[in-house]
Amino acid sequence: RKEVEQDPGPFNVPEGATVAFNCTYSNSASQSFFWYRQDCRKEPKLLMSVYSSGNEDGRFTAQLNRASQYISLLIRDSKLSDSATYLCAVHGSSNTGKLIFGQGTTLQVKP
Amino acid sequence: DAGITQSPRHKVTETGTPVTLRCHQTENHRYMYWYRQDPGHGLRLIHYSYGVKDTDKGEVSDGYSVSRSKTEDFLLTLESATSSQTSVYFCAISDRAETEAFFGQGTRLTVV
Repeated sequence: RKEVEQDPGPFNVPEGATVAFNCTYSNSASQSFFWYRQDCRKEPKLLMSVYSSGNEDGRFTAQLNRASQYISLLIRDSKLSDSATYLCAVHGSSNTGKLIFGQGTTLQVKP
Repeated sequence: DAGITQSPRHKVTETGTPVTLRCHQTENHRYMYWYRQDPGHGLRLIHYSYGVKDTDKGEVSDGYSVSRSKTEDFLLTLESATSSQTSVYFCAISDRAETEAFFGQGTRLTVV
């Protein structure tokens, strides 16, 4: 089983829709979690960190469910510019900083 | 943007030749990472470093070695390149074990 798993999609949604992605992780001792956005042929860029209490930034909401070992990303009122690949990342339990990514979920927002 | 420079940005090499990719940072961050990205696989961790001369293997370390002799540089070496190592390679840095990482622009490597 992979340490971090995502549904690769693609998710095709109309503008204005609400879409949610999940990401599961296998190490219950994992300490910190992130969502990244990656545009085609570019480097991944941090979208938001995921805190135990949840985290909201405008149209984006990230949540952590430790009991079920997954994190989620909710995008409200989707824009064409949200079309990208969304990657989740999980730090391991040790202090070596090991950071594992999921394979990414592709979102395509249609007019 | 974080001060991370990858070199070269593009390289074509022949099977069996050694290749070294360089990641240079100006942020004085402790942690550095090398990932490869291939269609359908997302970002896969090759090796990472948690300090000068401190490195560890990631998910796909076979065929790769790394060195970190100073804080700012993390080198990835393909001892004998194979076509399966054709990929986009990303370097990333992080200042603490539990914080986010920032990426370089990537190196596109083609092994023919």
